[in-house]
Amino acid sequence: DAGVIQSPRHEVTEMGQEVTLRCKPISGHDYLFWYRQTMMRGLELLIYFNNNVPIDDSGMPEDRFSAKMPNASFSTLKIQPSEPRDSAVYFCASSFTGSPGLEVDTQYFGPGTRLTVL
Amino acid sequence: TQLLEQSPQFLSIQEGENLTVYCNSSSVFSSLQWYRQEPGEGPVLLVTVVTGGEVKKLKRLTFQFGDARKDSSLHITAAQPGDTGLYLCAGGRSNDYKLSFGAGTTVTVRA
Repeated sequence: DAGVIQSPRHEVTEMGQEVTLRCKPISGHDYLFWYRQTMMRGLELLIYFNNNVPIDDSGMPEDRFSAKMPNASFSTLKIQPSEPRDSAVYFCASSFTGSPGLEVDTQYFGPGTRLTVL
Repeated sequence: TQLLEQSPQFLSIQEGENLTVYCNSSSVFSSLQWYRQEPGEGPVLLVTVVTGGEVKKLKRLTFQFGDARKDSSLHITAAQPGDTGLYLCAGGRSNDYKLSFGAGTTVTVRA
C-alpha cells in the first residue's frame, strides 16, 4: 500500500515567490496534518483537517500561509510570498480514527518536502 | 517553549550499550507516543501508552508512562547501529486530535 505521498521532495525558491506543497494522504484516512520541522523549533503542527474540513489552524505562522483540502485525497499548503525564515522540512501526516472514543491513533507521515527560500 | 522536554538532546554510545531517553512535562496527557525518525524520512510510530504506570516492550525497547501521565521514558537494551535516529515523544489530550511533540533526542550508535 502506498503511504502518504508528498511533492515535491525538494524545493528551492527565491524570496517573494509563491510555493505550493502537495500531499496525498493514505486512502480511507479521515485526518490530515501539516507540520513544519526545523532545528530550532522542532516539529510544529501548522494545521489539521478532519473529513476535508480545517479544524485547527492556530499553528499557521501568519497570513502568508494557507492550506486547503478540496477532497479526501489531496491537500495543499501554500506560502505566498515566501521568506528565508520559511526554510524548513514540511511534513504531511494522515490518520484514521476507526473506533468511537479512540482519540489517539497512529499518524503516518510522508517523506517531507525540504523547502529552501533564498 | 516546548510543552514536552526531552533529554538528553544528543546521545552517542557504542554498540551493545544501554541507553535511556526521557520525556517530561508539567502537563498531564491522556496518551504518549514515541516516534523514530531517520534522515530524509518522516517520523514512524514506535508505541502508544495510555495508562499511568504502563510499561510496554518492543523487542529491545522498553517504554514507560509515568504514574501521573506527565512523563515517559524509552530504554534501549544492547543498542545496535540500526537504532540510530531521532527519537520524538508526542503527547495527546482527550477531545483533541492534536499531538504536541518534544524537540527530540538524536541517538547515534557506533559499531
